[in-house]
Amino acid sequence: DAGVIQSPRHEVTEMGQEVTLRCKPISGHDYLFWYRQTMMRGLELLIYFNNNVPIDDSGMPEDRFSAKMPNASFSTLKIQPSEPRDSAVYFCASSQPGTGSEKLFFGSGTQLSVL
Amino acid sequence: AQSVTQLDSQVPVFEEAPVELRCNYSSSVSVYLFWYVQYPNQGLQLLLKYLSGSTLVKGINGFEAEFNKSQTSFHLRKPSVHISDTAEYFCAVSPLNTGFQKLVFGTGTRLLVSP
Repeated sequence: DAGVIQSPRHEVTEMGQEVTLRCKPISGHDYLFWYRQTMMRGLELLIYFNNNVPIDDSGMPEDRFSAKMPNASFSTLKIQPSEPRDSAVYFCASSQPGTGSEKLFFGSGTQLSVL
Repeated sequence: AQSVTQLDSQVPVFEEAPVELRCNYSSSVSVYLFWYVQYPNQGLQLLLKYLSGSTLVKGINGFEAEFNKSQTSFHLRKPSVHISDTAEYFCAVSPLNTGFQKLVFGTGTRLLVSP
């Protein structure tokens, strides 16, 4: 299996622009998580899905952030409009049925820089 | 709510020396405990986990951790480190009453192994 695939690996954009991050979970996994990693705050859970349904989005910073999972093999995290404080590494992770966060498989992340 | 404290942001050590990375947590409910490792430019990988049973848990790459309920600690140890162990290590907890659905991470400890 190719593992969790995230794209792009790096994204540089200007303040105010829309940013879309993409994630393909491991086939057969039914949980999908979006995390944000910064030096100041470490790893923060933004939102997670179970069977394509958003379960908890309490970690989403504000209305500028939105996430979707239209099918079992694809999810997006969108920031509109982007701000410099959104600069971070965004990770997607998935896990096997029935395990939740017991064992997460992480993608390599998207390094986002908002100028 | 849960919180995880990793007091050491960076731990330098010589190759073949022993190492201990400290982790303390705070929670009003019982938790499961995890250690993840992040190699440069990669996502996180599960090292080991404590769910129940023996308080000494063995993981991959020769690492082990001991759960101490009275001290609310879950320190990670390795008797002899290699250069390849250079990475960032994250301690995490998941409350029992969420069914593994939410993982709270510490801020990480960077292990630097030199020859």
